Amino acid sequence: RKEVEQDPGPFNVPEGATVAFNCTYSNSASQSFFWYRQDCRKEPKLLMSVYSSGNEDGRFTAQLNRASQYISLLIRDSKLSDSATYLCVVNGGNTPLVFGKGTRLSVIA
Amino acid sequence: GAGVSQSPRYKVAKRGQDVALRCDPISGHVSLFWYQQALGQGPEFLTYFQNEAQLDKSGLPSDRFFAERPEGSVSTLKIQRTQQEDSAVYLCASSGQGAKGSPLHFGNGTRLTVT
Repeated sequence: RKEVEQDPGPFNVPEGATVAFNCTYSNSASQSFFWYRQDCRKEPKLLMSVYSSGNEDGRFTAQLNRASQYISLLIRDSKLSDSATYLCVVNGGNTPLVFGKGTRLSVIA
Repeated sequence: GAGVSQSPRYKVAKRGQDVALRCDPISGHVSLFWYQQALGQGPEFLTYFQNEAQLDKSGLPSDRFFAERPEGSVSTLKIQRTQQEDSAVYLCASSGQGAKGSPLHFGNGTRLTVT
């Protein structure tokens, strides 16, 4: 089992829709969790950290479920500019940050 | 500039050539990471420095890959006798904190094509 697993998608959604991505991780010792966004042929950029109590940043909500070892990202009122690949990132104890393969989102007009 | 800077942006090498990729992290950042990203994949960890010390090189795929950060700032990733499977984007990232769980700031990457 890979350390971090994501559904690769693509998720094709209309503008204004709500979309959610899940990500599972295998290392129960993981302490830090992030969502990164990567546009085509660009570098990954931090979207948001994920905190134990869950956190929100505008239209984006991230949640962590330690018991089931997954994190989620919810995007409300999708915009065309949200089209990108969303990378789930986890650190595990002494290991550096491990990236999932990413979930591709296309928001359609 | 304020961000992580990588050079060259693009590199084409013939199979068997040696290449050197440079990373200039954000000033003052102690942690520096190298990742390899193949097309359609997420970034894969290669190696990690804290200041000049290489603390983890478990992700380097073979002994043809070598990284250094002699003065704790600029880092170079060297690939000897390049092979076609080395074709990928090589991403450098830095972090202002020593802890490995801190968010990373990435450079634009170097796209290596081995022909």
